[in-house]
Amino acid sequence: DIQMTQSPSSLSASVGDRVTIACRASQDISNSVAWYQQSPGKPPRLLLYAASTLESGVPSRFTGSGSGTDYTLTISGLQSDDFATYYCQQYFSTPPYSFGQGTKVEIK
Amino acid sequence: QVQLVQSGAEVKKPGASVKVSCKASGYTFTDYYIHWVRQAPGQGLEWMGRINPKSGGTDSAQRFQGRVTMTRDTSISTASMELHSLKSDDTAVYYCARDLTYCGSRNCYGRWFDSWGQGTLVSVSS
Repeated sequence: DIQMTQSPSSLSASVGDRVTIACRASQDISNSVAWYQQSPGKPPRLLLYAASTLESGVPSRFTGSGSGTDYTLTISGLQSDDFATYYCQQYFSTPPYSFGQGTKVEIK
Repeated sequence: QVQLVQSGAEVKKPGASVKVSCKASGYTFTDYYIHWVRQAPGQGLEWMGRINPKSGGTDSAQRFQGRVTMTRDTSISTASMELHSLKSDDTAVYYCARDLTYCGSRNCYGRWFDSWGQGTLVSVSS
């Protein structure tokens, strides 16, 4: 099974900051990674898939990059709505599907 | 618009079973796999299993095999997940989600989860 390791587990940032979240897979997943945002009490929301493709309706300040085993989610110009927890997920080798442990983005 | 609407919160005793349903609307139910993902309080997301609504075929994570039953009723566009032999650490919010898994002649290829249900809280306590 493929393991997904996210870092950091949490970070503090201010409105307007640029933040980067990393996700490392235990093997090459050929860009088969999705990123989700979860606010408290809400279900996850799809942000990006295929490593860098923005889901319809998601603001362009969210970008994804990476290849092989290493992927990143970048939020450029953090907004108040962006303080949430973010998860990566691999769908290269399924089942099972696997998620990273999550990164909580908090207000500094 | 696409919607996945789940059944309401449940309180169960250890050893009991719970059944959570997920009603789909806004798309052709049999075109998308339905997945079940759970989230324990303050924890991350854990994939439990999936069902192919067209065939009824299922796959589940190894740790749930033998304890989870996934079914669907295409006449009402509803998928259900039943978890048996509940323990206190099964207390979690259970989500359904869909993905456009593609199946070729030999293998199936999973995709991202583009729509999620609102979640169902299952509490297990004596």
